[in-house]
Amino acid sequence: SQQGEEDPQALSIQEGENATMNCSYKTSINNLQWYRQNSGRGLVHLILIRSNEREKHSGRLRVTLDTSKKSSSLLITASRAADTASYFCATDDTGNTPLVFGKGTRLSVIA
Amino acid sequence: GAVVSQHPSWVICKSGTSVKIECRSLDFQATTMFWYRQFPKQSLMLMATSNEGSKATYEQGVEKDKFLINHASLTLSTLTVTSAHPEDSSFYICSTERSSYNEQFFGPGTRLTVL
Repeated sequence: SQQGEEDPQALSIQEGENATMNCSYKTSINNLQWYRQNSGRGLVHLILIRSNEREKHSGRLRVTLDTSKKSSSLLITASRAADTASYFCATDDTGNTPLVFGKGTRLSVIA
Repeated sequence: GAVVSQHPSWVICKSGTSVKIECRSLDFQATTMFWYRQFPKQSLMLMATSNEGSKATYEQGVEKDKFLINHASLTLSTLTVTSAHPEDSSFYICSTERSSYNEQFFGPGTRLTVL
């Protein structure tokens, strides 16, 4: 069964705007990861945040993690049309276990 | 990061035929690989965990006799969809995990269309 939920399910913004996607999960985790998936393509790993971390940055990406609320957010700043994709959060509880994915947010960035 | 390949990248077959999908870990040995399925506009759902040298572990609701998994070597796992039906049409993705990276590496996926 799926661990978490992303919201919104779909998001449409103008190029240059920031996009914020949220992910909630149900059980305790070891790590939380965000992936991007372009239509019909495989997954691209964006960022991993460990359960003892609260915030992480990578380029235009900012991820926060609130383990007390069992939630995470992904912020993409200064969005570009190329950022159009589905974004998934995924959690794991220990090493070498499969990831459990949320349902994803479909982001459309309009030029 | 590690490289995982899948073959074929897409396949179209007739209903009732069997289709084999290969997943290869190209630059490290993977004792464990995972197979996911993704229906259009939905999230990835774990199908099974493939263990080298032993039987795969299937998720609830996944028929082990229909989705045959063979992990014969440390770099290759295969998923065979037997007697495929149109409802099996999906995107199948495998992944491996290198524990030191604490990250899963995904293959590019295989799109299966059953007519």
